[in-house]
Amino acid sequence: GQQLNQSPQSMFIQEGEDVSMNCTSSSIFNTWLWYKQDPGEGPVLLIALYKAGELTSNGRLTAQFGITRKDSFLNISASIPSDVGIYFCAGRYYGGSQGNLIFGKGTKLSVKP
Amino acid sequence: GAGVSQSPSNKVTEKGKDVELRCDPISGHTALYWYRQSLGQGLEFLIYFQGNSAPDKSGLPSDRFSAERTGGSVSTLTIQRTQQEDSAVYLCASSLGTSGVAKNIQYFGAGTRLSVL
Repeated sequence: GQQLNQSPQSMFIQEGEDVSMNCTSSSIFNTWLWYKQDPGEGPVLLIALYKAGELTSNGRLTAQFGITRKDSFLNISASIPSDVGIYFCAGRYYGGSQGNLIFGKGTKLSVKP
Repeated sequence: GAGVSQSPSNKVTEKGKDVELRCDPISGHTALYWYRQSLGQGLEFLIYFQGNSAPDKSGLPSDRFSAERTGGSVSTLTIQRTQQEDSAVYLCASSLGTSGVAKNIQYFGAGTRLSVL
């Protein structure tokens, strides 16, 4: 089935650093979503992207829908401790089921020891 | 309700027993989705409902898994004869619809953590 490759798998952040993560697919996607999941909670939507090239910000978060429609990235600027958690990309590919979101395996953000 | 509500939040069961997991979607949301999340993994799609019908149940792992939705609202995911590999967090989400910009944004519940001993 369709898969999303999300990287990096994990990263350590120091307060104030910028963070970047991305997702790539083998198929053309018509929707890209970025979610954050805290321990014991369900994923919470951060940003939704619907058009190739679209660049959308939500506070310190910025995400882009890649021009090729096969990738997306999420940037977090000036990270703070509460940014810690697992970030998932998700999307729908052309021809896919309307109800079927494909998820990446997540990027786990932790605080540098 | 204000958000997607799932119950129970935790369920411990013995191998071979049946379990029922419940999801109460956001009021007015016509679409409802079930996912499974194993430790350290992404979300695995199981099934979704548009109203009371399930256009896509391709993610159900075996015939031990079934789901129903009645009255266009509450849904129940049933796992029969549970196995240890069924242990995971089962997440439910709902959306206003399944097509159109913003209508298909999925909002998630906190999940049910199932442990099969």
